[in-house]
Amino acid sequence: GENVEQHPSTLSVQEGDSAVIKCTYSDSASNYFPWYKQELGKGPQLIIDIRSNVGEKKDQRIAVTLNKTAKHFSLHITETQPEDSAVYFCAASTRSNYQLIWGAGTKLIIKP
Amino acid sequence: DAGVIQSPRHEVTEMGQEVTLRCKPISGHNSLFWYRQTMMRGLELLIYFNNNVPIDDSGMPEDRFSAKMPNASFSTLKIQPSEPRDSAVYFCASSGSGAYNEQFFGPGTRLTVL
Repeated sequence: GENVEQHPSTLSVQEGDSAVIKCTYSDSASNYFPWYKQELGKGPQLIIDIRSNVGEKKDQRIAVTLNKTAKHFSLHITETQPEDSAVYFCAASTRSNYQLIWGAGTKLIIKP
Repeated sequence: DAGVIQSPRHEVTEMGQEVTLRCKPISGHNSLFWYRQTMMRGLELLIYFNNNVPIDDSGMPEDRFSAKMPNASFSTLKIQPSEPRDSAVYFCASSGSGAYNEQFFGPGTRLTVL
């Protein structure tokens, strides 16, 4: 079955700097890769997603890149702000399976 | 829209007691997921319903756990008897039809079993 690995488990960056979180997946049939943000005391919330027919997608300060050959995808956050502090999860799924396989999460800390 | 509603938000119980967690998905969504989150194991999918039918319950830890979805607007997750190792945050999420639909999570129920 699918397995998703996420690194690093904790990432601390200076406010204003960029942050990058990386995930790898094992099932070459996976074709949907969402990223969720979980703030303290809340459930995860979708922030951006990418499908396998696209190599990169941007939404203001966040972007996701996908390398299907290497089976890895990354979340990039530029000009980090205090409100970016949260736990970020990557996930993967296939069209035939509506379920998401989740990474272990990355705790992002933005230092003032 | 009120989003996914879960109750209770916090539950403290003693080992051996029955615990029932409740979820109301977003109206019109036909997929519902129960997750468990702990520091040790991260976010685990327990069970997934589609159109009120359990599709995959392979994540349910053991027979002490059961889930039902009697109609499109209500689901329960029951633990009987509860054990200290069941202490976790339990999330319910719902999504619409189709393969690439966002899962909307509820606020979670923090369960503590003493």
